[in-house]
Amino acid sequence: TQLLEQSPQFLSIQEGENLTVYCNSSSVFSSLQWYRQEPGEGPVLLVTVVTGGEVKKLKRLTFQFGDARKDSSLHITAAQPGDTGLYLCAGGKDNFNKFYFGSGTKLNVKP
Amino acid sequence: DAGVTQSPTHLIKTRGQQVTLRCSPKSGHDTVSWYQQALGQGPQFIFQYYEEEERQRGNFPDRFSGHQFPNYSSELNVNALLLGDSALYLCASSLEVGGSYNEQFFGPGTRLTVL
Repeated sequence: TQLLEQSPQFLSIQEGENLTVYCNSSSVFSSLQWYRQEPGEGPVLLVTVVTGGEVKKLKRLTFQFGDARKDSSLHITAAQPGDTGLYLCAGGKDNFNKFYFGSGTKLNVKP
Repeated sequence: DAGVTQSPTHLIKTRGQQVTLRCSPKSGHDTVSWYQQALGQGPQFIFQYYEEEERQRGNFPDRFSGHQFPNYSSELNVNALLLGDSALYLCASSLEVGGSYNEQFFGPGTRLTVL
């Protein structure tokens, strides 16, 4: 059973479009991380959010942690082919780095 | 500054065999976590090592065991391999600073195929 559910599972869009990826749970997390993973590589950390309602921006990417710390979203503005990859959210529940990953959203941005 | 390294890159084994995967953490890191990522899925936490002890464990059978050495590098051992053990095995390292979370850095993984 996945503690974190991500949606959509797959997303194929044209370059320049906007998109939002969701990460939902019925559990409360102490922290929420977003990663991007490319084929044959390990996940690369994009951002960590720890406060309910927190919003962080990383260039064209905007991350939000839900007020109740149970959900998160990732919004990409004007997507580019270089954004293509598997986006994973991971929730931390204790002090020892045990993270629960969602199953990921596979994004394909077509030129 | 070397990041997290893992070896081997790829490995093919047959059912019933045993395998050992290796991980060197990022320089300055003292904590190593292992994850299993099946095709099309997110990583699943196997266990974490800190100060050469297993500190946390996920929902994996005892066939999965590990070790951490004094230089903080780590090994993952899997005995009596099953077809379902085929996956990408990821190692992540972090520095324990006693906060509510510590940033993890992942290695490129070892792709294990069990035939």
